[in-house]
Amino acid sequence: DAKTTQPPSMDCAEGRAANLPCNHSTISGNEYVYWYRQIHSQGPQYIIHGLKNNETNEMASLIITEDRKSSTLILPHATLRDTAVYYCIVRGPSNAGGTSYGKLTFGQGTILTVHP
Amino acid sequence: GAGVSQSPSNKVTEKGKDVELRCDPISGHTALYWYRQSLGQGLEFLIYFQGNSAPDKSGLPSDRFSAERTGGSVSTLTIQRTQQEDSAVYLCASSHWDWWRRFSEAFFGQGTRLTVV
Repeated sequence: DAKTTQPPSMDCAEGRAANLPCNHSTISGNEYVYWYRQIHSQGPQYIIHGLKNNETNEMASLIITEDRKSSTLILPHATLRDTAVYYCIVRGPSNAGGTSYGKLTFGQGTILTVHP
Repeated sequence: GAGVSQSPSNKVTEKGKDVELRCDPISGHTALYWYRQSLGQGLEFLIYFQGNSAPDKSGLPSDRFSAERTGGSVSTLTIQRTQQEDSAVYLCASSHWDWWRRFSEAFFGQGTRLTVV
């Protein structure tokens, strides 16, 4: 699975949009971009995923560049409860006999702090 | 239950003792994963189950670590002769069986905090 690079930390004012970047320059054509977050003392929580089109759900929007080498997670109106570690993960479908399926490889993520 | 359940939530054990950590996945989820997270660190993959078989055990750090899953449901992670470096939060996740063909989000439990003294 492709490696991702995220800034170690970011700050955001409550009510403003939080834009979290992720670089995945070695992504291959069949690999998806996933975002999870982990609020302190809890297990990770799925946010959103995408392949090449921009995606939006009730939690966030995902913008993937045309060359798919980077993406941005957007929390449109950040709240204090959005303070968490955000993980960008790239993975693809299984290959025959491979062991990459079923495994999310977490990096260090971005610590997002939303302040009043 | 509605979510992934792990027990115990906290476990303190003496160095050298064996421990068993339990995971109850979401009903119907055939894929199950174990991770661990040391203090201030990211999540480290340990093992993946599809049904009762474990096609990927690549993350188990040593032969003191083992895991099994029975009836395609409950899983137990066993750590033998615990060491202080085993202290961490052990997280379990489950997802629908066709995780690798179509997207199916992984649901995580709250974890078991293991402290080896």
